[in-house]
Amino acid sequence: GQNIDQPTEMTATEGAIVQINCTYQTSGFNGLFWYQQHAGEAPTFLSYNVLDGLEEKGRFSSFLSRSKGYSYLLLKELQMKDSASYLCVGRENTGFQKLVFGTGTRLLVSP
Amino acid sequence: DVKVTQSSRYLVKRTGEKVFLECVQDMDHENMFWYRQDPGLGLRLIYFSYDVKMKEKGDIPEGYSVSREKKERFSLILESASTNQTSMYLCASTANNEQFFGPGTRLTVL
Repeated sequence: GQNIDQPTEMTATEGAIVQINCTYQTSGFNGLFWYQQHAGEAPTFLSYNVLDGLEEKGRFSSFLSRSKGYSYLLLKELQMKDSASYLCVGRENTGFQKLVFGTGTRLLVSP
Repeated sequence: DVKVTQSSRYLVKRTGEKVFLECVQDMDHENMFWYRQDPGLGLRLIYFSYDVKMKEKGDIPEGYSVSREKKERFSLILESASTNQTSMYLCASTANNEQFFGPGTRLTVL
């Protein structure tokens, strides 16, 4: 199985950059996802990494190091609407490729 | 746009009632999932299905059953609701490298 660890809560100010770290332990790994979830809403897909390196998508970037079991989500030019929970999600390398969710990092962006 | 819909956003039931949560997706996805989400615990997989009439237990199947009679519809059933099943229930379907979630059903069992 897998274990996903990420900080419970982070705060940052509007316009700043914030990095949300995630470490994972797996018995089989087939990719790492980041999801955004606003309070009371469903998670929405942000990024997917399966190879080492940085994937950039607008203000959001995600990094993966498989040898270190480590990923981070980088958010630039923070906006108030970025206040949400960010879920680090691992995918098992099994026939069904089950997703394993971290508990999420609640990010609060202040003016 | 992929759309995953759930029958109710909010539901209040009494202990012992039979509860049906319906999920429908319109993108012909084979794989569908039911999760529950509780504070401090993240999303936990209850059941999943990879084809019509096929189902597999997830991590916390106790107290739940599912039905997949048609490809687009995946139902979660609480045979006899209990207060510890008060939670947010999320349905998802998957294609390639992305899971698409429904809006969620917040179930309260009194």
